[in-house]
Amino acid sequence: GQNIDQPTEMTATEGAIVQINCTYQTSGFNGLFWYQQHAGEAPTFLSYNVLDGLEEKGRFSSFLSRSKGYSYLLLKELQMKDSASYLCAVLDSNYQLIWGAGTKLIIKP
Amino acid sequence: DAMVIQNPRYQVTQFGKPVTLSCSQTLNHNVMYWYQQKSSQAPKLLFHYYDKDFNNEADTPDNFQSRRPNTSFCFLDIRSPGLGDAAMYLCATSGGEQSDTQYFGPGTRLTVL
Repeated sequence: GQNIDQPTEMTATEGAIVQINCTYQTSGFNGLFWYQQHAGEAPTFLSYNVLDGLEEKGRFSSFLSRSKGYSYLLLKELQMKDSASYLCAVLDSNYQLIWGAGTKLIIKP
Repeated sequence: DAMVIQNPRYQVTQFGKPVTLSCSQTLNHNVMYWYQQKSSQAPKLLFHYYDKDFNNEADTPDNFQSRRPNTSFCFLDIRSPGLGDAAMYLCATSGGEQSDTQYFGPGTRLTVL
């Protein structure tokens, strides 16, 4: 079966750095996405990785290792507004998005 | 601004009373998706359209139907809503330059009384 694993919940402090991990086992791989979802709202696109390595976009970076079936989302200089769920999703061989259940990130002052 | 619009944002219906949710897009994307998302769960794909080609997920209940009359609009019909159908319904589109990235509308939260 296809599976995406990410921690259910994480807590971090305002101004700090946090890394949210995602491991996946899918039938094929055509890219990995990270989305941010605030409570009661729709997911918003953060990043897309299809090649190994680090993609940096402002305070957010995303890393991919295809051989390990592993990705992480790195958030720097955390702000209170970063409190949200972060969803990892993999595009499989049929170009279907396989979603993780999301990691709820709690930011404390 | 190009966007994905969903109406209504909040919908209350009674058990068994049909309801229709709508989605429109100004992104001119050729693929449209309907997802169901329950609290603290991953979005669950119900249907998707590649242009007018309809794709029904194998485990989508028959109670759910969809229509895409043109490129811009897509509808989700729930024929006889049950209490278990209370959820957030998300419409998404993909296409254009970043063809695999899905962009979501704000969602419709459905309450079934």
